[in-house]
Amino acid sequence: GESVGLHLPTLSVQEGDNSIINCAYSNSASDYFIWYKQESGKGPQFIIDIRSNMDKRQGQRVTVLLNKTVKHLSLQIAATQPGDSAVYFCAESITGTALIFGKGTTLSVSS
Amino acid sequence: NAGVTQTPKFQVLKTGQSMTLQCAQDMNHEYMSWYRQDPGMGLRLIHYSVGAGITDQGEVPNGYNVSRSTTEDFPLRLLSAAPSQTSVYFCASSRPGRVDEQYFGPGTRLTVT
Repeated sequence: GESVGLHLPTLSVQEGDNSIINCAYSNSASDYFIWYKQESGKGPQFIIDIRSNMDKRQGQRVTVLLNKTVKHLSLQIAATQPGDSAVYFCAESITGTALIFGKGTTLSVSS
Repeated sequence: NAGVTQTPKFQVLKTGQSMTLQCAQDMNHEYMSWYRQDPGMGLRLIHYSVGAGITDQGEVPNGYNVSRSTTEDFPLRLLSAAPSQTSVYFCASSRPGRVDEQYFGPGTRLTVT
């Protein structure tokens, strides 16, 4: 089946910088796009999602942008902190009964 | 609430052995699912359930069975373990209509020799 993918496997930033993690998807029928964070040794944790009829959604220090024209999804983290260091996965929900995950981007934050 | 719990945390099996990975949630979530995560890969869906008595296959169901006799529990059975099933297994649950926002357990690391 079709799946989401990510542009870069790793991203290194300095504490306080803004981080942008990108994801490309291929299925235009997806109704939700979601970002998850996975810290070492733990299960993934929901961060934020966006419906397919939206372009932008903001949360606490995070913003998700959806560009349906080029099938691109991004997660922006403002004022990145060491606690943001983790693997970030984008995922899509097509049928409303299952998620398809991308491969993940490892974010490293140095202080 | 304990959230989603999984047992065991670690398991080593020999090829051909069978075992059951346990998953339980105390949030009264209707939807539950099992994923496997291999190095450098995202999570791949094995099986899922939208409610007690209802299960369906995901992306990689071969070699695994599930059942859902109660809302709380969703065990995953490996029928005859193979080295290709060495992986980290995650169970997750969510409210009805909120498959996007899933709550994941801590995972079971399985090694098949």
